[in-house]
Amino acid sequence: QVQLQESGPGMVKPSETLSLTCTVSGGSMRNYYWSWIRQPPGRRLEWIAYVYSSGSTNYNPSLKSRVTISIDRSRNQFSLKMTSVTAADTAVYYCASHAGYADSWGPGTLVTVSS
Amino acid sequence: EIVLTQSPGTLSLSPGETASLSCRASQSVNSGYLAWYQQKPGQAPRLVIYGASARATGIPDRFSGSGSGTDFTLTISGLEPEDFAVYYCQQYSGLPWTFGQGTKVDI
Repeated sequence: QVQLQESGPGMVKPSETLSLTCTVSGGSMRNYYWSWIRQPPGRRLEWIAYVYSSGSTNYNPSLKSRVTISIDRSRNQFSLKMTSVTAADTAVYYCASHAGYADSWGPGTLVTVSS
Repeated sequence: EIVLTQSPGTLSLSPGETASLSCRASQSVNSGYLAWYQQKPGQAPRLVIYGASARATGIPDRFSGSGSGTDFTLTISGLEPEDFAVYYCQQYSGLPWTFGQGTKVDI
């Protein structure tokens, strides 16, 4: 199984853009789905988006207008950008490898939206 | 969107007992595309069951999954101290992939 590690700022101001990167190690990114999933404090997990190793993407309709996911296989990384954030976007953000079910997860990074 | 509802919210049990966790879907989950995860405080979720009944790598055989259509169950036979955690179900039958709200297995 691969290892994943999220990186990015822990705090973002309201209305600004949240940017996170996931670095994958211990295996190839080929022929797999790579997802971002978040968990607001005390709430259920929410799938945000996935990117396939080919670069094709799919988004949760509830977030689609504000989210972009991308992959850089040369760096073994994939990234998330979320625009116009509000306090409701405060959550632990996880990156994961997916075959529909998420079989490997990063440890997660807390992102707080606050001025 | 497929909505998953888990019950009960909290299950209070003792080591050695059997836990039975329910996950009900708002519409049929095709081909048993349902997974279960275990999450402990401050940790990422860990895959326990996929395909409704297949155990993930390294998961002991006291964990078993069953069900089809709209009703699924995770059973933990003979609870060990390390099994006390929150368990989430997730469907990957249709997009967007969705999760249940979780069941806490408590001592």
